[in-house]
Amino acid sequence: DTEVTQTPKHLVMGMTNKKSLKCEQHMGHRAMYWYKQKAKKPPELMFVYSYEKLSINESVPSRFSPECPNSSLLNLHLHALQPEDSALYLCASSQAGVAGGPYEQYFGPGTRLTVT
Amino acid sequence: TQLLEQSPQFLSIQEGENLTVYCNSSSVFSSLQWYRQEPGEGPVLLVTVVTGGEVKKLKRLTFQFGDARKDSSLHITAAQPGDTGLYLCAGALIGQNFVFGPGTRLSVLP
Repeated sequence: DTEVTQTPKHLVMGMTNKKSLKCEQHMGHRAMYWYKQKAKKPPELMFVYSYEKLSINESVPSRFSPECPNSSLLNLHLHALQPEDSALYLCASSQAGVAGGPYEQYFGPGTRLTVT
Repeated sequence: TQLLEQSPQFLSIQEGENLTVYCNSSSVFSSLQWYRQEPGEGPVLLVTVVTGGEVKKLKRLTFQFGDARKDSSLHITAAQPGDTGLYLCAGALIGQNFVFGPGTRLSVLP
């Protein structure tokens, strides 16, 4: 099973709302990632969790707050977002948690977020 | 400055044609991955190459990793409309984050 699931598939939220994106994998991977992808651009790394600890935060604004409750789950809490935060948010997982691999990342289908 | 460059940026071909897309860097990578992404979906892993000079085949797709582990190519034989999508290469530098190239957008016309 190489499946990573993400919910919801689509999300529309106002700038004052609080919402959460969820990601789950059952491949026994110990590293999980959040990416942001704008239209016609490649994915941009936001956060990396390795063994349930935040190991990389790519200077992401504090209105994005990641959480890793256990090795299978990854959440992204959203609060006071801006319209420019509208994008496809992708979750991925891999076996190794540090750069330098070799490792392969498996992606979920993404959550299409629209901030109004 | 992009760590990984991909060319061409866009490619539109007729069904049945062959094509090659490229992924280049001035840096040495421990491994490179190729992904295919369709609109509104997550990238799907196609292959990982690890050893310099390595060639891997996946049905009509042939992947090659350069001898110096700085570049890679993807060759598609007899392209089909189902091959349409964004092809992304990605890799890990030693001690640094996993990075993506900008992608090649392929359109195969029936």
